[in-house]
Amino acid sequence: EIVMTQSPATLSVSPGARATLSCRASQSVSNNLAWYQEKPGQAPRLLIYDASTRATGIPSRFSGGGSGTDFTLTISSLQSEDFAVYYCQQYNDWPTFGQGTKLDI
Amino acid sequence: QVHLVESGGGLVEPGGSLRLSCAASGFPLTFSDYYMTWIRQAPGKGRDCLAYISGGGGHIKYADSVTGRFTISRDNPKNLVYLQINSLRAEDTALYFCARLRGTGGRYYFDYWGQGTQVSVSS
Repeated sequence: EIVMTQSPATLSVSPGARATLSCRASQSVSNNLAWYQEKPGQAPRLLIYDASTRATGIPSRFSGGGSGTDFTLTISSLQSEDFAVYYCQQYNDWPTFGQGTKLDI
Repeated sequence: QVHLVESGGGLVEPGGSLRLSCAASGFPLTFSDYYMTWIRQAPGKGRDCLAYISGGGGHIKYADSVTGRFTISRDNPKNLVYLQINSLRAEDTALYFCARLRGTGGRYYFDYWGQGTQVSVSS
């Protein structure tokens, strides 16, 4: 099983600032990585797939990068609606998820 | 607008069974064109993909950790996906999501999710 490790567990940032979230795979997953946003009481939302492709309707302030084992999700100019939990998921093998990063004000 | 709604969760005693349902709507093509999956998140643990099923139902795959107690199926005319769980254990306590798969060649991510249905196993 490919283990996904996200850091930090919690990231405190201010509205308007830039946030960078990290995700590391225990072995190479090429660019087979997705990012999701999750808010309490809502369905998870796909943000990024193929490591850097934004899903339909996702604002351009969300960007993904990396390949192999190290990946980042960057949110430029944080909006109030961006404060949520973010998960990465690899799909190079049987899908596995990171433990999540909570983006806090 | 794609919409997935899970149901069928609840409080069950160890050894019992449950059938979870996922009702799909708003798919741009027909429901049978899409692979579907069940994913769960147990308290304090990571999110696990349990099983997926092809659009026609002929291709099914389970996680190695699923020890034959889980069965995924679908009813395409009704736009439903099911997860049958038998011999429930305390460690099956989790929020169960259904989701739609995208990708190819056995490499899948999930472009739409439901909000989940809670399963609690306790005596």
